Amino acid sequence: DTAVSQTPKYLVTQMGNDKSIKCEQNLGHDTMYWYKQDSKKFLKIMFSYNNKELIINETVPNRFSPKSPDKAHLNLHINSLELGDSAVYFCASSPWTSQDTGELFFGEGSRLTVL
Amino acid sequence: DAKTTQPTSMDCAEGRAANLPCNHSTISGNEYVYWYRQIHSQGPQYIIHGLKNNETNEMASLIITEDRKSSTLILPHATLRDTAVYYCIVRETGANNLFFGTGTRLTVIP
Repeated sequence: DTAVSQTPKYLVTQMGNDKSIKCEQNLGHDTMYWYKQDSKKFLKIMFSYNNKELIINETVPNRFSPKSPDKAHLNLHINSLELGDSAVYFCASSPWTSQDTGELFFGEGSRLTVL
Repeated sequence: DAKTTQPTSMDCAEGRAANLPCNHSTISGNEYVYWYRQIHSQGPQYIIHGLKNNETNEMASLIITEDRKSSTLILPHATLRDTAVYYCIVRETGANNLFFGTGTRLTVIP
């Protein structure tokens, strides 16, 4: 069973479109994250949710809107896609009560290509 | 922002120990040292972490200098599957995110 699963794995779309990436974790974790890895391979945090509440928003354009329907899911919706949004997006989760372990569990990534 | 400095790349012969250094000279007392790796086309994977004592688990050993300004991740018997980018990260106790730097690209050579 995949612990953190993301769909779709690959997404190719045109500029200006709206798209969503879904993430689900079956680890019972309280905290979920979205990271973006650009073409230069820098991995940067975008958002963090704890028990469906937003706790980190790292100056991401408001075209990006995370949605957490429950603590096992954190979806990423992107409006008006731009060329610069092309990247691999990683979802991750961690147990809030064990913050000192610092162990995040990452999904396999979703590669978004904007044409 | 990443508070660590790592070599851009390293090679290691298969079966030998891989020693990956990391400088974190501005580390504060409540910050842990974490190591993650990212194998090509996969999500990052946790390896090990420590505060001031040396740590060992089934994947690796972490050696932290006494002044805590640097550390070394040791993969005792590197295999081809250990080829990856290795990230050294410092993180405050109670923080709930990780900031990744540029990491070290380790290539294990047959």
